[in-house]
Amino acid sequence: QVQLQESGPGLLKPSETLSLTCAVSGYPISSGYYWGWIRQPPGKGLEWIASIYHNGHTYYSPSLKSRVTMSVDTSRNQFSLKLSSVTAADTAVYYCVRERERYLPYWGQGTLVTVSS
Amino acid sequence: DIQMTQSPSTLSASVGDRVTITCRASQSISSWLAWYQQKPGKAPKLLIYKSSNLESGVPSRFSGSESGTEFTLTISSLQPDDFATYYCQQYETYLWTFGQGTKVEIK
Repeated sequence: QVQLQESGPGLLKPSETLSLTCAVSGYPISSGYYWGWIRQPPGKGLEWIASIYHNGHTYYSPSLKSRVTMSVDTSRNQFSLKLSSVTAADTAVYYCVRERERYLPYWGQGTLVTVSS
Repeated sequence: DIQMTQSPSTLSASVGDRVTITCRASQSISSWLAWYQQKPGKAPKLLIYKSSNLESGVPSRFSGSESGTEFTLTISSLQPDDFATYYCQQYETYLWTFGQGTKVEIK
């Protein structure tokens, strides 16, 4: 059973860099599939941010590409997200996910990140 | 980007009603569309993939269909557990996009 767990700071100041990690259990990242991040601002819809394969190949949302970096650590079976120069608009629940044939059966529980001075 | 336009944004219905939610893609996505259900404070849950395939464990009252670039999620007989927000997602490529969501409320 694939399980994903997000972790990272819950509060950031404007202009800081958001750093989140997703710890994976029940499936080795090195075995395949794309792993990704999706966010949801309070009371709003879902927005895909980025995805990564175990070999490091990435896809980034065009609207966030200039500020986003994803990385993968197969030895720790985890992957990470960095989002630079955050503003209040980046306040959201951030979910890590794993795809199956490009749709998303596996989700973490989500972690709320608030950007506020 | 492929844009997904979902309607309605809110739907009021009663237990036992037949409910239909629509998602329109801005270009052809073949059948690469999924539907998710989200309840407050929870992660989305996959209901349907490849337009009409029911995910394991999902009740058969949920169904999906397509006509060109228009996709439909139908709940044949709304149950109390179904009051939630529903999202479509296109996955024609790995540049995933979601519809804006449809909140199904109690009438």
